[in-house]
Order: sequence, then C-alpha cells, then structure tokens
Amino acid sequence: GDSVTQMEGPVTLSEEAFLTINCTYTATGYPSLFWYVQYPGEGLQLLLKATKADDKGSNKGFEATYRKETTSFHLEKGSVQVSDSAVYFCALSDRGGNKLVFGAGTILRVKS
Amino acid sequence: GAVVSQHPSWVICKSGTSVKIECRSLDFQATTMFWYRQFPKQSLMLMATSNEGSKATYEQGVEKDKFLINHASLTLSTLTVTSAHPEDSSFYICSAKMAGDYNEQFFGPGTRLTVL
Repeated sequence: GDSVTQMEGPVTLSEEAFLTINCTYTATGYPSLFWYVQYPGEGLQLLLKATKADDKGSNKGFEATYRKETTSFHLEKGSVQVSDSAVYFCALSDRGGNKLVFGAGTILRVKS
Repeated sequence: GAVVSQHPSWVICKSGTSVKIECRSLDFQATTMFWYRQFPKQSLMLMATSNEGSKATYEQGVEKDKFLINHASLTLSTLTVTSAHPEDSSFYICSAKMAGDYNEQFFGPGTRLTVL
C-alpha cells in the first residue's frame, strides 16, 4: 500500500539556520503531496501542498517540490524562527484528497 | 481557516465502559469527516471515513463494533469507543472536509483517551 517515510527527529536548530526535513513516498498512480504542521496544543494545519510532478508548494517561507523521479517532497526553509517549533507531518492522498497517509512526524525545535 | 473542535480534549475511563468523542465543524458544513488514531511517536492512522447521513467506511483492521461512528448532521460526527480496554488508549483526531475534490481536510485538536 501507499506509505510515507520522513526523517526522524527531533531536529534542533538555532534561529536563522537552514531547515531541511526529508520525505519520501511510495504510491501507485499520481498522489497529491502535503506538509502539515502541528503547533503545541493545536490541531494539524495544512502548511503547503503540491498536486503534480515538479509543482512547488510554498507558504510562510517554507517550500517543497514534488519530485516524481526521486519520489520525494522535502521541506525546506531558509531561515527558521523560534515560532517554527512544532511537529511537521508529510502526507499523501489520492486525487480526491480523501484518504491521507501520513509520515511519522518530525519534531522541530528552534533555539534563540 | 475553517475550525474543527473536539470534545472532550482528554478523558480517563475504566475498562469496560464506553466513551463518546464529538467532532464539530464550527463554521462550515462538513459533508465528510474522518477519524484518525495516533500512537506515541507514530503517525496518524485513518480509522474510518463518514459521510453525512450514511454509514461510515472503516479501514481494514478497524473493528466496526468497537468504534461506532455517527455522522448525523453536516456539523457533527461522533466516535464511540465501546467496552474500552487499556489497548484502546490513544490519541484520537478527527478532520472535516467540504464537498468536492481537492478540498482541504481541517483537523480538530485531538482527544487523549486513557483506559484504566
């Protein structure tokens, strides 16, 4: 079945450091890809998405590019802030966006 | 963005009792709601999908008689864990989606269930 693998955390960075969280997937067909973020005490929020190969999703300084050839959707940010500390989930779904398959989540801690 | 609430946020119950968790879409009509389960340090696993007014569709391996799902209105879905046992202790998360493809799922904050 479909699956998502993302790097284990926690990832600890200093403020203004560069962030990469790796995500690879296995799926049949052409899934849509997502990054969700969960801040402490809150529900998951959609951070960005891409629905076809070579699409780049971006939001709040975060970016991820849908790479079909490497089945990857790595999350990047050029300069992290303390407020970016959260858990980040990579996920995929079918075209209808109904059945989300999540990675295990990566805890990000940013220190000032 | 759209808001989804869950109640209660945490619950402790005795083994053998039943627990009901509510999921509400506060500012939109949710034709589809989803229930997920999350174990510590693991990803969210989809348990079931429910459409308003119809029976829920359960994922393989999820016991329908153990986890009763009702989606009686466009703003409310409930998950009842029947005859709960310690192995049912987990973090339960719901999400809600409006009609149409590609629409985003909006997630509730989750409910922590502990069965003693």
